[in-house]
Amino acid sequence: LAKTTQPISMDSYEGQEVNITCSHNNIATNDYITWYQQFPSQGPRFIIQGYKTKVTNEVASLFIPADRKSSTLSLPRVSLSDTAVYYCLVGDDGAAGNKLTFGGGTRVLVKP
Amino acid sequence: EAGVVQSPRYKIIEKKQPVAFWCNPISGHNTLYWYRQNLGQGPELLIRYENEEAVDDSQLPKDRFSAERLKGVDSTLKIQPAELGDSAVYLCASSHPQDMTLYNEQFFGPGTRLTVL
Repeated sequence: LAKTTQPISMDSYEGQEVNITCSHNNIATNDYITWYQQFPSQGPRFIIQGYKTKVTNEVASLFIPADRKSSTLSLPRVSLSDTAVYYCLVGDDGAAGNKLTFGGGTRVLVKP
Repeated sequence: EAGVVQSPRYKIIEKKQPVAFWCNPISGHNTLYWYRQNLGQGPELLIRYENEEAVDDSQLPKDRFSAERLKGVDSTLKIQPAELGDSAVYLCASSHPQDMTLYNEQFFGPGTRLTVL
């Protein structure tokens, strides 16, 4: 079971770029890397998923180096509404597929 | 398109009482999940359904927790009797099969916040 390690919290200011790095040294060959965002009193929301190199969508970018032992979620020009907890997850390739294993996440606080 | 619906949003009960949570997944999603989220932690999977079949209930405390999804659509999660340590947010999620069968995008409901006194 691949374990992830990410910072507990990060502070930023409006308009800045926020980069959250997640370590997953034991990632398996078939594992994908997925990030979720969770606002207070809401369920988590899928942000982005990738396997290698770089993935970009309308919300964020995900950078994955060749060894795939880490990944970085990049949030461009954050606003106050990006204050949330961000979870890095790596696929659990056990017998039960589609199993998301959440860690503690990174609490991002965007200040004015 | 309606998202995952859960009810109630909040529930306060005394210990040893029973409690039930209801979830209606996104239409067409045949995979349904129940998670428990303790304060300050990430969600923890309790059970996963593929249609009406529970395919992963390894994390469900079966002595007091039960779940059902009789017609393969909506689902209920029950706790009987509730204990103080069951206070948490109970989240329901659903997903639809895609090419990447291992790691589908999951859509979460707002959760039910349970307080056991």
